[in-house]
Amino acid sequence: QVQLVQSGAEVKKPGSSLKVSCKASGGALSDYTINWVRQAPGQGLEWIGGIMPMFGTAKYAQKLQGRVTISMDGSLSTAYMELSSLRSEDTAVYFCARTAYGDYAAREGLASWGQGTLVTVSS
Amino acid sequence: QSVLTQPPSASGTPGQRVTISCSGSSSNIGSDYVYWYQQVPRTAPKLLIYRNNQRPSGVPDRFSGSKSGTSASLVISGLRSEDEADYYCAAWDDSQVVFGGGTKLTVL
Repeated sequence: QVQLVQSGAEVKKPGSSLKVSCKASGGALSDYTINWVRQAPGQGLEWIGGIMPMFGTAKYAQKLQGRVTISMDGSLSTAYMELSSLRSEDTAVYFCARTAYGDYAAREGLASWGQGTLVTVSS
Repeated sequence: QSVLTQPPSASGTPGQRVTISCSGSSSNIGSDYVYWYQQVPRTAPKLLIYRNNQRPSGVPDRFSGSKSGTSASLVISGLRSEDEADYYCAAWDDSQVVFGGGTKLTVL
């Protein structure tokens, strides 16, 4: 089964951009859908968006539309989440999560998660 | 303010049965599947229930889910100390995933 390994913690200035990676270990991501979820300190889970690597199509949360871009590398082994115009409210742990094998529509939930990446936005 | 509504806390003693509710609307729970995730503090969430009442491989049958109309429930039977965690319900709503605010379960 493919495991997900995320990039390390980051500290960013307000107004700057962020790019977090999510690398597959033990296979490629082509047979899964990758979603991104974040969790602000002491708060609940918030869906950011998702991508179907096989088709390259991405969906985004309305709240973040225009600031977020989810993409894949050419080998379909690493997914990326970019967030621009960072604000203090974007301080959170960012998780990537994959669906079950072949579950492109994510009807079986987010089956396996990365370890999370702490992003701190502060001047 | 979360789209799905959960009680902020729940508790029980070892061996008890605990129910966590999740309330939504016709655009999410009322028209699509419900999912449940368990999150032990400072770790990644874990899928507990999918498609309203299905358990992934490895999830004990002490955990069960149900859905009726625009509400759903997670039942934990035979409560154990390791069940102490945060629990989140989730559903699709207009092509987006929405989560409940989470319920902190304390095992007394």
